[in-house]
Amino acid sequence: DAKTTQPNSMESNEEEPVHLPCNHSTISGTDYIHWYRQLPSQGPEYVIHGLTSNVNNRMASLAIAEDRKSSTLILHRATLRDAAVYYCILRKALVQGAQKLVFGQGTRLTINP
Amino acid sequence: GAVVSQHPSWVICKSGTSVKIECRSLDFQATTMFWYRQFPKQSLMLMATSNEGSKATYEQGVEKDKFLINHASLTLSTLTVTSAHPEDSSFYICSARDYRTSGIPTSYEQYFGPGTRLTVT
Repeated sequence: DAKTTQPNSMESNEEEPVHLPCNHSTISGTDYIHWYRQLPSQGPEYVIHGLTSNVNNRMASLAIAEDRKSSTLILHRATLRDAAVYYCILRKALVQGAQKLVFGQGTRLTINP
Repeated sequence: GAVVSQHPSWVICKSGTSVKIECRSLDFQATTMFWYRQFPKQSLMLMATSNEGSKATYEQGVEKDKFLINHASLTLSTLTVTSAHPEDSSFYICSARDYRTSGIPTSYEQYFGPGTRLTVT
């Protein structure tokens, strides 16, 4: 299975943009890039996913490199509630069948007031 | 989004006893649910894949006789930790995807429960 590499931790200030990088140099053509985050003492929460094109939703934006070997999760204006561990995960694109998610160590994001 | 609940949210039990944790999809059907375990300051580790109406698929190194999984209906999966010991103390999390009865996913994201914190004394 293709692996992802993320920095262990990052720090940012409230109301500033945050760019969380993820390297996935062995990604295959059928792998989707998923981002989840986990707030303290809670289950993970879906953030965003994409395949090739950049994606935007109400929570964040996902910028995918042209060669797909890296991606960046962008929080446009961080709040204290965005402090969490962010996981970048690759998922095979299959039409049927549930797919397990393999979590790496993720990036612990700290937001300073 | 879809909601997954877990019960109980926390439990303390004595060594040697068994504990059952429930995972429910509240507003969708889930033919497959997943069980994870998370130790403090560590990432989630997948324990098993729970399939409705059939046996669970366990990850390598997970004892199937110790962690009993029953997926009784399209909205309920249970994890029973049998003969619990202090080393089983952990945060147990389930997840599910929204599937139509045909097996085609209605969304790509997995919905996670809030987790159950198990402490074995």
